[in-house]
Amino acid sequence: GQQLNQSPQSMFIQEGEDVSMNCTSSSIFNTWLWYKQDPGEGPVLLIALYKAGELTSNGRLTAQFGITRKDSFLNISASIPSDVGIYFCAGQLNAGGTSYGKLTFGQGTILTVHP
Amino acid sequence: EPEVTQTPSHQVTQMGQEVILRCVPISNHLYFYWYRQILGQKVEFLVSFYNNEISEKSEIFDDQFSVERPDGSNFTLKIRSTKLEDSAMYFCASRGLTGGKMNTEAFFGQGTRLTVV
Repeated sequence: GQQLNQSPQSMFIQEGEDVSMNCTSSSIFNTWLWYKQDPGEGPVLLIALYKAGELTSNGRLTAQFGITRKDSFLNISASIPSDVGIYFCAGQLNAGGTSYGKLTFGQGTILTVHP
Repeated sequence: EPEVTQTPSHQVTQMGQEVILRCVPISNHLYFYWYRQILGQKVEFLVSFYNNEISEKSEIFDDQFSVERPDGSNFTLKIRSTKLEDSAMYFCASRGLTGGKMNTEAFFGQGTRLTVV
């Protein structure tokens, strides 16, 4: 099956620092997504990327869809304590054919922000 | 804001027992999913459900698992004879349709923590 490798596994940073995490895949996805999971909660969508090369921002978050369609990165600028959580990348093939929106998740990056 | 709700939030069961995890997806959504997350690991796809039938399932979703949409609002996951390794957080998710196309965003519930002892 498709595998996503996400790195780093964990990060410990000071408030105000920028953060970068990335995901690589063994195969192509048509859509890349980044989710955040808070303790005891389900994943919440942060950013969705639809086209190879696309760079998208959502507030302090910026994500890019790699040209090869096999990778993506997420940057968080000027981190704050509430950025703490687990960040997951996820790949999705487009709807239609044999895909009904199944998400393949990376292993997650645990982010800790020290005030 | 509409949300996916799951019950119970925590279920403890004895090995070999049957469990049913319940989900109420967002009301006008048409695509439904179950995922699981073993403690400290990634979220894994189990099954997708559309038009009253399973549309895709993973190798994890063996004969011990089944899903059902018994009425217009609930979506359930049944594990027939639980094993210790079924202990995990189980997430339900749903998606809507816009202009005849499946929406990108899948909304996840808060999960049911299943502990098999």
